[in-house]
Amino acid sequence: DAGVTQSPTHLIKTRGQQVTLRCSPKSGHDTVSWYQQALGQGPQFIFQYYEEEERQRGNFPDRFSGHQFPNYSSELNVNALLLGDSALYLCASSLSRGLSNQPQHFGDGTRLSIL
Amino acid sequence: GDSVTQMEGPVTLSEEAFLTINCTYTATGYPSLFWYVQYPGEGLQLLLKATKADDKGSNKGFEATYRKETTSFHLEKGSVQVSDSAVYFCALIPSMNTGFQKLVFGTGTRLLVSP
Repeated sequence: DAGVTQSPTHLIKTRGQQVTLRCSPKSGHDTVSWYQQALGQGPQFIFQYYEEEERQRGNFPDRFSGHQFPNYSSELNVNALLLGDSALYLCASSLSRGLSNQPQHFGDGTRLSIL
Repeated sequence: GDSVTQMEGPVTLSEEAFLTINCTYTATGYPSLFWYVQYPGEGLQLLLKATKADDKGSNKGFEATYRKETTSFHLEKGSVQVSDSAVYFCALIPSMNTGFQKLVFGTGTRLLVSP
């Protein structure tokens, strides 16, 4: 049973470029959340997708956008990259069945470095 | 808003020592509480959780009790091993009334266990 898979594992971009990160949720999960983890910090919630719609958004600018596909996989897009966007981007999946305290399963993340 | 405060690390212990990592939270209502562990180069793994006051979560020898009166969820282990060396994150999901699963993390506490 595959867990949450993310690609790519590492990525190097320059300022002003655009990037797309990908996530496949754990089998049976229908909800995907994205988090940004800066070096030495805890993950910060970016947004969550359910039924192909953004359900909630954290305190991130519109440069951060996402998408969820009918197979529940998801993409995170970041435009006009800034040096401060360098971080580990984590995807988490869960089953949105009633209770909101269902555990979230995390992938190993994509390490994004901006030069 | 909702927040989590953890003791700063690193916490350095010898093998078989007793571990306590302090965590306190600020939240309205009745959040669910979690401990996640992050090993080097990996994503986050759920260690344990508690969903209501006085609940005790436990896993792999680790324990934490949901204390509403002190708004705390301290992580403990009676005898640590070198393999427990990792970064530990305390987190909460705000009150279940919100209807979705945004995790709010602390900044993490690095644990280093020496033989």
